[in-house]
Amino acid sequence: DAGVTQSPTHLIKTRGQQVTLRCSPKSGHDTVSWYQQALGQGPQFIFQYYEEEERQRGNFPDRFSGHQFPNYSSELNVNALWLGDSALYLCASSLDPTLGTEAFFGQGTRLTVV
Amino acid sequence: AQSVTQLGSHVSVSEGALVLLRCNYSSSVPPYLFWYVQYPNQGLQLLLKYTSAATLVKGINGFEAEFKKSETSFHLTKPSAHMSDAAEYFCAVSLYSSASKIIFGSGTRLSIRP
Repeated sequence: DAGVTQSPTHLIKTRGQQVTLRCSPKSGHDTVSWYQQALGQGPQFIFQYYEEEERQRGNFPDRFSGHQFPNYSSELNVNALWLGDSALYLCASSLDPTLGTEAFFGQGTRLTVV
Repeated sequence: AQSVTQLGSHVSVSEGALVLLRCNYSSSVPPYLFWYVQYPNQGLQLLLKYTSAATLVKGINGFEAEFKKSETSFHLTKPSAHMSDAAEYFCAVSLYSSASKIIFGSGTRLSIRP
């Protein structure tokens, strides 16, 4: 079992550009959550996808959007990048949270905006 | 609303000494509480979790935490620190499990002196 895999591992973008980050969940998992971890801070919840729909959303602007595919993999899109979007983006996969299951985190994608 | 506060952004102990990382939580409902560890340039690994069963929770790598409702605390301890324990530690809270939206603390960096 490959666990949760994220790509790319590192990325450098210019202010104003758009970026897409990808996440493949652990085998058998159908729920994907995304977190942003700025340098020196704890991760912050962006949103969660289940059955291809956004189920929950944190306090992030509409520039942050996502998608979940029928195979449960997910993408995080950020438009009009700001310098402040530089962070480690973590993906976590799980089964339906209401079942009391646990989430497994990927290694993250380090995004640098210059 | 739920939140966690980690007291001390940096803790330094000698190898073999007691490790104590402090966490206080706020929750309007019985919380699920977690401790995660993050090694440099890596994702998050679950150390242990409290889910309203035993108040003393044992985790991996010799760590344990005690849930104290009267003090709204969930401090992490390890009797004898090892050099490999050097990492960032995050206390976190959620409504159901780590698969639901997790609120993380700001983290405590643990350093181990030889």
